[in-house]
Amino acid sequence: EIVLTQSPDFQSVTPKERVTITCRASQSIGGGLHWYQQKPDQSPKLLIKFASQSFSGVPSRFSGSGSGTDFTLTINGLETEDAATYYCHQSSGLPYTFGQGTKLEIK
Amino acid sequence: EVQLVESGGGLVEPGRSLRLSCAASKFSFSNYFMNWVRQAPGKGLEWVSSISSSSTYIYYADSVRGRFTISRDNAKNSLYLQMNSLRAEDTAVYYCARGGTATTAPDYWGQGTLVTVSS
Repeated sequence: EIVLTQSPDFQSVTPKERVTITCRASQSIGGGLHWYQQKPDQSPKLLIKFASQSFSGVPSRFSGSGSGTDFTLTINGLETEDAATYYCHQSSGLPYTFGQGTKLEIK
Repeated sequence: EVQLVESGGGLVEPGRSLRLSCAASKFSFSNYFMNWVRQAPGKGLEWVSSISSSSTYIYYADSVRGRFTISRDNAKNSLYLQMNSLRAEDTAVYYCARGGTATTAPDYWGQGTLVTVSS
């Protein structure tokens, strides 16, 4: 099983800050890594697919990078509405897996 | 916009069965992979199962293989999850999520349906 480890688990940040969340895979997954945002009591929403492709309608402040085992989600100019838990997900190898999540709190 | 509406959740005793449904609309359902993903209360996301557009390819998490069966009816634009031999650890919100035409990676998600396994 491919284990995805996100860091940090929790981060408290101020608006307008630049935030970086990392996701490390236990083995190479090429570019099959996707990022989701989940707000309380809502279903997840896709932000970035295949490491760096922005999904339709997602604000441009969200971007993704990486390949192989190391991936990054960056939020440039954090807004209060970005308070949420962020998950990475790999679809390269069965069983498909998710990271444990990173909770962003806005100060 | 893509719509996915799950139904069929509820309270069920351990060892019993439940069937979840997902009604899809506003996209060509028969062209897409579909997924079930679950989230235990207060926990993270867990992939459960995926099915290809014509049901040729079906995948399961080890935790549900042999107990759960994913299926779809393209004529009815519907996805299903038959859950047998339910356990307390199957308690979760179950999300139906659309994949791509050539990938299982979910893009759009339903609102979820809660399954509670308890005596």
